[in-house]
Amino acid sequence: EDQVTQSPEALRLQEGESSSLNCSYTVSGLRGLFWYRQDPGKGPEFLFTLYSAGEEKEKERLKATLTKKESFLHITAPKPEDSATYLCAVQAYSYSGAGSYQLTFGKGTKLSVIP
Amino acid sequence: GAVVSQHPSRVICKSGTSVKIECRSLDFQATTMFWYRQFPKQSLMLMATSNEGSKATYEQGVEKDKFLINHASLTLSTLTVTSAHPEDSSFYICSAPSGENTGELFFGEGSRLTVL
Repeated sequence: EDQVTQSPEALRLQEGESSSLNCSYTVSGLRGLFWYRQDPGKGPEFLFTLYSAGEEKEKERLKATLTKKESFLHITAPKPEDSATYLCAVQAYSYSGAGSYQLTFGKGTKLSVIP
Repeated sequence: GAVVSQHPSRVICKSGTSVKIECRSLDFQATTMFWYRQFPKQSLMLMATSNEGSKATYEQGVEKDKFLINHASLTLSTLTVTSAHPEDSSFYICSAPSGENTGELFFGEGSRLTVL
């Protein structure tokens, strides 16, 4: 069974204080690891997809990295507008057809950036 | 980019009534859509896979007769919560594949259901 564990559950940072969010996963065969941002009362917003260990992707103050067991979302000099819940999800090769798009989500890390 | 739209964003209903939530792909066709449910501080849990022109595929433990899914066109899937009860109160989110074979899903804005 695919599993995704995110830590910490919640994180409070001062504006400009860099940090990292962790996503540990177990999956039968990783097709992709996804990071999403979710604002309160909204659906998830796509950030990154990582496909293989060693891959890195960046977008503004965010950088996602991937190893064979975990992924990190690094936040550099965060701003209050970065406050949100960050979700990690994995997609496995074990499914076919429409099922290949199925995602297993973690519970998320709620990030609060204080001015 | 592609957008998935959900309606309504919030709905309050009385216990025993039925509620329909719509999910539309606005500028692309989606033969498959996914319905998720999210409780506070919990993961998004896949409820069912909606297939255009055929029956939906439900995840284990999801009642087919409680959560009716219809995917009548390539741009619209609906989720009807029948005979709703307070325990059905939740955040329901739909999604559709981007179609670029990247595995990426586009998510709707979500629908907050409150059953009194």
